[in-house]
Amino acid sequence: EAGVAQSPRYKIIEKRQSVAFWCNPISGHATLYWYQQILGQGPKLLIQFQNNGVVDDSQLPKDRFSAERLKGVDSTLKIQPAKLEDSAVYLCASSLLVQPPYEQYFGPGTRLTVT
Amino acid sequence: AQSVTQLDSQVPVFEEAPVELRCNYSSSVSVYLFWYVQYPNQGLQLLLKYLSGSTLVKGINGFEAEFNKSQTSFHLRKPSVHISDTAEYFCAVSEIRAGTALIFGKGTTLSVSS
Repeated sequence: EAGVAQSPRYKIIEKRQSVAFWCNPISGHATLYWYQQILGQGPKLLIQFQNNGVVDDSQLPKDRFSAERLKGVDSTLKIQPAKLEDSAVYLCASSLLVQPPYEQYFGPGTRLTVT
Repeated sequence: AQSVTQLDSQVPVFEEAPVELRCNYSSSVSVYLFWYVQYPNQGLQLLLKYLSGSTLVKGINGFEAEFNKSQTSFHLRKPSVHISDTAEYFCAVSEIRAGTALIFGKGTTLSVSS
């Protein structure tokens, strides 16, 4: 079974530029999560989708971050314009939600450096 | 709301020594408990999980963890570590309600040297 795929793996941009990350979850997983992991901290949820609907985006900085999950499969996370503090690893995870504990499977992440 | 505190940011140990990584949590509702490992430049891999039942949980790579409800702790242990165990370890909780996000601690860096 293929795991969660993410691209690109690394991205370097200048502040005020825009960037987009892509995630392809495990086939059949209806729930998709985007987490932000700043150096020295644990991952923090940015947004959660159930199929193509948003379940929780309370911690998403909506003035600069946006995300979509068209057709309930792939997802894209965008930052526009980027700030220095957005430098982090962006992790995508998916879950089947069939039985407890509703395990989440993580992709390798995209490491973003904003200069 | 839930929170997770990992009491040690860095734990250096020698190969074949035992190790314990400490995790305390706070929650007003019932939670599931997890330990994840992150090797350099890789995503998170589940080590073990606690749902209910026996408080001693065994995971992959020889790791185990013990749930202590009265102390709200979920410490991770391994009796004999290897160089290859060098990684970042995260303790996490989630509500038992389906589809809730994970709340992570800040992580513990385990460094194993020969």
